[in-house]
Amino acid sequence: DQQVKQNSPSLSVQEGRISILNCDYTNSMFDYFLWYKKYPAEGPTFLISISSIKDKNEDGRFTVFLNKSAKHLSLHIVPSQPGDSAVYFCAAALSGNTPLVFGKGTRLSVIA
Amino acid sequence: DSGVTQTPKHLITATGQRVTLRCSPRSGDLSVYWYQQSLDQGLQFLIQYYNGEERAKGNILERFSAQQFPDLHSELNLSSLELGDSALYFCASSVATRSAKNTGELFFGEGSRLTVL
Repeated sequence: DQQVKQNSPSLSVQEGRISILNCDYTNSMFDYFLWYKKYPAEGPTFLISISSIKDKNEDGRFTVFLNKSAKHLSLHIVPSQPGDSAVYFCAAALSGNTPLVFGKGTRLSVIA
Repeated sequence: DSGVTQTPKHLITATGQRVTLRCSPRSGDLSVYWYQQSLDQGLQFLIQYYNGEERAKGNILERFSAQQFPDLHSELNLSSLELGDSALYFCASSVATRSAKNTGELFFGEGSRLTVL
């Protein structure tokens, strides 16, 4: 049973436009959510996170929105750049030093 | 560079064999996590160690085992290998607890790609 779901395996966006990546979760006990980016032949790298007590967190071109009632979060990238082309993983964690639960990832392609 | 080192980067072996994957966490990180990424699958959590002790267990097969040594490096042992064990195996490390000073994110190594023929 997948607790973290990314229903879009891939997404294609034109350079300069907004990229919106979506993630749904089923466990209402998750209290921390993170996004990771992964390039080929590299390990995932942390991008941005949000605590369950917030509904938005922004870091430069990246903004994460959390809708707890819908158990949904999204990552917005504005403006999208070709270097953003990668696989994006959504992850969630319970409180404390617990393992992250990852979704299957969404491959973003930003077309110049 | 995340500071997490994994060896070997690539490994090709035959069914029925046994391999050991090694991970050195970031300096100062006490927690080590092992994840498996198979084709078209997300990162599946296998096992977590904290300061030498097993902390959490995920979908780890009985044929797999791990340990964390006093110097905090960790090894993942995979035995009686099957074709389906072919995957990328990632090690990650983190500080002990999540606090206002850190977001609790994991720092991943580049992974060990295992191919079982």
